[in-house]
Amino acid sequence: KQEVTQIPAALSVPEGENLVLNCSFTDSAIYNLQWFRQDPGKGLTSLLLIQSSQREQTSGRLNASLDKSSGRSTLYIAASQPGDSATYLCAVRPGFQKLVFGTGTRLLVSP
Amino acid sequence: GAVVSQHPSRVICKSGTSVKIECRSLDFQATTMFWYRQFPKQSLMLMATSNEGSKATYEQGVEKDKFLINHASLTLSTLTVTSAHPEDSSFYICSARDRRILSLETQYFGPGTRLLVL
Repeated sequence: KQEVTQIPAALSVPEGENLVLNCSFTDSAIYNLQWFRQDPGKGLTSLLLIQSSQREQTSGRLNASLDKSSGRSTLYIAASQPGDSATYLCAVRPGFQKLVFGTGTRLLVSP
Repeated sequence: GAVVSQHPSRVICKSGTSVKIECRSLDFQATTMFWYRQFPKQSLMLMATSNEGSKATYEQGVEKDKFLINHASLTLSTLTVTSAHPEDSSFYICSARDRRILSLETQYFGPGTRLLVL
């Protein structure tokens, strides 16, 4: 059974810091891995999707890496801003459609 | 962008009653919709996958007679929690696939429904 773990569970940083969120999964047989952002009262927003054949993806201040063989992914956020405060979820796809989510990292960026 | 709405956003009900949650794709047609449940400080867990016009596929451990899913149209799926009990209190989130997008990976998520059973 695929299990996804995210560390840390919560993180509080001052504005401007660079930070790294970690995700690990137990079964390396995945099609891809996706990072989401979850805001209270709003739906999940997809941030980055990395195919199993890729090593990393970048979008603006976000960079996600994937090491499928070791079952790890990291989300790097550069120059954090208060607007980045949210819960960040990592999810892997063992099949075409199904997503297995991690427990999330709650990020608070203070001004 | 694609928008998925859920109604109600939050509901409080008495134990033993049934609660219906709606998931709508507002500007696209969804052949497939997914229902997730999220307990406090836990991850989203897929409950079932529903395809328009056919029976939903439930994940292992999810009681299909307790969580009734209807996907009668390309823009609406409903989840009915029958005879709700306090342990059913959770955050229920739906997502939908746009039938026009070939990528099976693209899902649009609703804002969620907070259910509290007293």
